[in-house]
Amino acid sequence: EDQVTQSPEALRLQEGESSSLNCSYTVSGLRGLFWYRQDPGKGPEFLFTLYSAGEEKEKERLKATLTKKESFLHITAPKPEDSATYLCAVQARHTGGFKTIFGAGTRLFVKA
Amino acid sequence: DVKVTQSSRYLVKRTGEKVFLECVQDMDHENMFWYRQDPGLGLRLIYFSYDVKMKEKGDIPEGYSVSREKKERFSLILESASTNQTSMYLCATQLVSGTGHGYTFGSGTRLTVV
Repeated sequence: EDQVTQSPEALRLQEGESSSLNCSYTVSGLRGLFWYRQDPGKGPEFLFTLYSAGEEKEKERLKATLTKKESFLHITAPKPEDSATYLCAVQARHTGGFKTIFGAGTRLFVKA
Repeated sequence: DVKVTQSSRYLVKRTGEKVFLECVQDMDHENMFWYRQDPGLGLRLIYFSYDVKMKEKGDIPEGYSVSREKKERFSLILESASTNQTSMYLCATQLVSGTGHGYTFGSGTRLTVV
């Protein structure tokens, strides 16, 4: 069964304390892995797409990496404004087309 | 930038009412989706559409229907609202399928059914 699992569920960091969020997946026919940021009461905002193992993407303090089984979102020297829920999703081949599966998210809290 | 506009940020409806949630995009995206998001359950797909007048059931279509009469507009209908449909509803668009394009989400509609 296709599955996306994010860990940890919640992560509390001090400002400047670097860390990583994990997204592990079990799908067949991966077409892309996506990272989104969601602020409270708002819709998710697209961050990155990764297509194949070994690929990396960066945006400000965020860096996403991909292997054949998981993706990491590395946060370097986070600031309080990085506090949000980070969602991972995979798009894979499915009967008659494609399917996108979302993980449950990691809630990140960064304290000043 | 693509803009996805959901008609209401907050709605309160009574049990049994018919509820319409509207979603409009201002770019030429083919695909549109309706999700609901609940604590601990994540995003769950209700319905999606790859073309005008086309609709497909997602994972939890029961109690919902949709309409896509124009490419830019995708409506979610709760035929007879129930308290277990209290949730955050998110509309999303995607340029095309299978190419790795991410979704663009609206700001969401928080629906409370009393």
